[in-house]
Amino acid sequence: DTAVSQTPKYLVTQMGNDKSIKCEQNLGHDTMYWYKQDSKKFLKIMFSYNNKELIINETVPNRFSPKSPDKAHLNLHINSLELGDSAVYFCASSSYSSGRARYNEQFFGPGTRLTVL
Amino acid sequence: SQQGEEDPQALSIQEGENATMNCSYKTSINNLQWYRQNSGRGLVHLILIRSNEREKHSGRLRVTLDTSKKSSSLLITASRAADTASYFCATDAVGSGGSNYKLTFGKGTLLTVNP
Repeated sequence: DTAVSQTPKYLVTQMGNDKSIKCEQNLGHDTMYWYKQDSKKFLKIMFSYNNKELIINETVPNRFSPKSPDKAHLNLHINSLELGDSAVYFCASSSYSSGRARYNEQFFGPGTRLTVL
Repeated sequence: SQQGEEDPQALSIQEGENATMNCSYKTSINNLQWYRQNSGRGLVHLILIRSNEREKHSGRLRVTLDTSKKSSSLLITASRAADTASYFCATDAVGSGGSNYKLTFGKGTLLTVNP
């Protein structure tokens, strides 16, 4: 029944390590996103994919590499983790609608709390 | 730069009272959305209001939009302890790459409803 799921829920790792977070949606949406929420709850978009193609890359360091094997999955791989990467990462999805009546209500996953030591 | 700014940053009320949160933004928008985030959870979509709409209702929620002032308000009537959460506005700006893929979120209002 889960609409947008992420694994793992918690991730604790050492600086310099490489880690991945997985995201899957079963809503049939064609657009998926990664957001980063910092300790002050500020939510900032990192990437957006539509039909497996990268649409938005918001000046994220190239240590972060998203991969979309199909429309239902958007994974996030992070190389050489740094202390500043500690945050909660949210995956979301939406359905793109063309024309003036477009909307993009987004459905969020439960988040992955990443702690870099 | 950040598009949406919620006001106040924190709000504490008693159960049964109404809660009003405001959001201001900087550029023209296609639509404005409000989301709720319970502690330790993902965001949940509450309501969307389009740029040509002025007011919208959903249950105990009432949203207004004033595009001339670039502001929106979210009113929760007859609040309950379960309404305790952070509330975010998000804007889908006109001309954001010609797509509607990008929402820009404010910093949120932390609402505490005391039983």
